Amino acid sequence: EPEVTQTPSHQVTQMGQEVILRCVPISNHLYFYWYRQILGQKVEFLVSFYNNEISEKSEIFDDQFSVERPDGSNFTLKIRSTKLEDSAMYFCASSTSSSNEQFFGPGTRLTVL
Amino acid sequence: DAKTTQPTSMDCAEGRAANLPCNHSTISGNEYVYWYRQIHSQGPQYIIHGLKNNETNEMASLIITEDRKSSTLILPHATLRDTAVYYCIVRPLVGKLIFGQGTTLQVKP
Repeated sequence: EPEVTQTPSHQVTQMGQEVILRCVPISNHLYFYWYRQILGQKVEFLVSFYNNEISEKSEIFDDQFSVERPDGSNFTLKIRSTKLEDSAMYFCASSTSSSNEQFFGPGTRLTVL
Repeated sequence: DAKTTQPTSMDCAEGRAANLPCNHSTISGNEYVYWYRQIHSQGPQYIIHGLKNNETNEMASLIITEDRKSSTLILPHATLRDTAVYYCIVRPLVGKLIFGQGTTLQVKP
């Protein structure tokens, strides 16, 4: 069964460093999403992406965040200058259309020291 | 903010049906009821969704009241692997998912 994959599973970084989280969505999916979950808190929407552009973003998704689909298979989330409060699980999701169910990856645990 | 209200936690005996309620009294006519679950910090997993008719798939059944102000997710024969946080989400057919705190279901042997 096809699945969304994410790398790395755990990323440790120093405050102020840039990180790139990678996702490989399911191959025939066209809509891509990033969510995050701070430990013990709710899953929060960050951004949705379709046709090589952002279709929706939340207040969390400020200028420090960016997304890209560099090569037609990967979907990346970049945090330019990490802060302690960026420590969270980051989940990538994809769907065949914006109306279909979203399939989530296993997540990347980001720890900012 | 999430537009749903769910109990914080529930227990269910293994092999019995688990009935998870959700209130969504402010649901709009174009909003669907979606259910996802999250097993121990894994990525959320889609279970089922519906608009106004009851729905069933290989995982669960969804019962939506006639006024659409509440719904119940039914896991017909709960197993230990069904222990998870269950999220009831209302949203239009398209767009982001807004997660609440969900219901922590503990299936006990």
